[in-house]
Amino acid sequence: GQNIDQPTEMTATEGAIVQINCTYQTSGFNGLFWYQQHAGEAPTFLSYNVLDGLEEKGRFSSFLSRSKGYSYLLLKELQMKDSASYLCAAGMGTDKLIFGTGTRLQVFP
Amino acid sequence: DTEVTQTPKHLVMGMTNKKSLKCEQHMGHRAMYWYKQKAKKPPELMFVYSYEKLSINESVPSRFSPECPNSSLLNLHLHALQPEDSALYLCASSPSRGVGSYEQYFGPGTRLTVT
Repeated sequence: GQNIDQPTEMTATEGAIVQINCTYQTSGFNGLFWYQQHAGEAPTFLSYNVLDGLEEKGRFSSFLSRSKGYSYLLLKELQMKDSASYLCAAGMGTDKLIFGTGTRLQVFP
Repeated sequence: DTEVTQTPKHLVMGMTNKKSLKCEQHMGHRAMYWYKQKAKKPPELMFVYSYEKLSINESVPSRFSPECPNSSLLNLHLHALQPEDSALYLCASSPSRGVGSYEQYFGPGTRLTVT
């Protein structure tokens, strides 16, 4: 089977740093991908990791450890507009993305 | 143009109706996808068309039928749906095979209600 788990909800304060964790157990894994989804809108691609290590993209960074089946998304200098759901997804086989349970992040002033 | 468009935005249909959802992209992407998303749940992959070849999620009921008339268009034909099929249906496309296929561009979705 395939399991991709994330915390259901997180809260943080504007200007702070937050880390959203994702653990996975999948077969045929080709990489870990992060998407952001605001309420009532479509998901938008944020970041991905194929190899172990940290990828930085502005305020967002993502980390992967393939041996531990673990990834995280780090959001720095949080802004109110970062309040959204964050979805990690495993790339499987050819062209298939399997999404995790999603983490709803609320940023407070 | 980096947009995936979907029509209609909202659809209400009875259990005996036949309807179709449409999706279009003009980014030259060769892979297109249908996802189903229930409230407060992640998107679930239904179908993939990659280079005009269909991959099916075996758990999707036959009352959902995809069609890919050309590499820019993707339809989802609906027939004899059940109330539990009410959800947001998302279309996505991606530029290439390999790692690039996982960087997907999503359309705004069709909110479907089955009565």
